[in-house]
Amino acid sequence: EAQVTQNPRYLITVTGKKLTVTCSQNMNHEYMSWYRQDPGLGLRQIYYSMNVEVTDKGDVPEGYKVSRKEKRNFPLILESPSPNQTSLYFCASRIDPLSNTEAFFGQGTRLTVV
Amino acid sequence: GNSVTQMEGPVTLSEEAFLTINCTYTATGYPSLFWYVQYPGEGLQLLLKATKADDKGSNKGFEATYRKETTSFHLEKGSVQVSDSAVYFCALIAGGTSYGKLTFGQGTILTVHP
Repeated sequence: EAQVTQNPRYLITVTGKKLTVTCSQNMNHEYMSWYRQDPGLGLRQIYYSMNVEVTDKGDVPEGYKVSRKEKRNFPLILESPSPNQTSLYFCASRIDPLSNTEAFFGQGTRLTVV
Repeated sequence: GNSVTQMEGPVTLSEEAFLTINCTYTATGYPSLFWYVQYPGEGLQLLLKATKADDKGSNKGFEATYRKETTSFHLEKGSVQVSDSAVYFCALIAGGTSYGKLTFGQGTILTVHP
């Protein structure tokens, strides 16, 4: 089954404690991205990756890092989480960045930073 | 830059009522337009899409027509069901320097009562 898998689904952490949210896709997609969803703001792109070892900032990259060492994986790293990073996070993948094809989304990670 | 504006929600309807969720956009070039749906506790799923002017996307009884002259992509359904209760997002992919980024509207919460 074609899917994007995120882990964990729920996470509560304390300010400053480094964390990683994993994302993996099994569709051999080139393009992957991370979004955060906040009430009244829709989804905003954090980082994206056009292919292995190619990543770039989206609209709200501050406080986040990513890496793309393998095509299937695109982890999101919060080196020093702060309460304003409390949000619902989604990983997404598409075949490639140039086509207007469907994006597949993971089930989301609800992060709370206290 | 690119932007998407959806009607304010939430929207509450009785079963079998007619649904319209308005969506207008601003974009460079000729964007592709999408409606995504998010059911409770799940990630986003593609509902329908249209890639050029006057195209009509349709799925599960929902329809939306790409209107270039009014820069709109309104979502409609003739008779909603309780199972349609979800959050609906209008989104676009545009050319230029957007590098395949999906730009989302704020989302509209739909609740359908029996």
